Amino acid sequence: DQQVKQNSPSLSVQEGRISILNCDYTNSMFDYFLWYKKYPAEGPTFLISISSIKDKNEDGRFTVFLNKSAKHLSLHIVPSQPGDSAVYFCAASASDYKLSFGAGTTVTVRA
Amino acid sequence: GAGVSQSPSNKVTEKGKDVELRCDPISGHTALYWYRQSLGQGLEFLIYFQGNSAPDKSGLPSDRFSAERTGGSVSTLTIQRTQQEDSAVYLCASYQKGRAHGYTFGSGTRLTVV
Repeated sequence: DQQVKQNSPSLSVQEGRISILNCDYTNSMFDYFLWYKKYPAEGPTFLISISSIKDKNEDGRFTVFLNKSAKHLSLHIVPSQPGDSAVYFCAASASDYKLSFGAGTTVTVRA
Repeated sequence: GAGVSQSPSNKVTEKGKDVELRCDPISGHTALYWYRQSLGQGLEFLIYFQGNSAPDKSGLPSDRFSAERTGGSVSTLTIQRTQQEDSAVYLCASYQKGRAHGYTFGSGTRLTVV
């Protein structure tokens, strides 16, 4: 039962433009959402998070938006840089701290 | 250590053999998780240790899989009688309750069953 879904397996964007990654979830008990970034042969690294009491969190070039009524969140990266090329995982948790992950979106930033 | 350490980084084993994967979490982190990522799939939860509580084994795919955590620190994931569908990257993560940034992952063990 996939509770967190990333329906776009890949995204290609030109350097300097905005990257928008989308994520949908089904479990209404989720109250904390995170984005992780993963390079090949490395473990995922934490990127940004948002609590369900907020609808936006910004950290430098990265902004996460949460729409609870739609059970949808998105990650915006602007401007996109070549070093942003990686796999991005959306994750969500309820009070038990166990994270449920999406399948990931591979982002390729073109020079 | 400064991060989560996993060993071996790569393991090739013959079908039917047993394997052990090791995870050294960040010192002081009370929670430890095992996930796996099969080709083209997301991260699949396997098992969760929190302090001295009974582990949450709800994600283990079969009774061939087991894990233990000794002394509240190092964890070993054991797969008995490996099958080709066990081929995946096995990721360990540790977590310090109250921290907003979620888990810290190791680099994983890439298991290939031939």
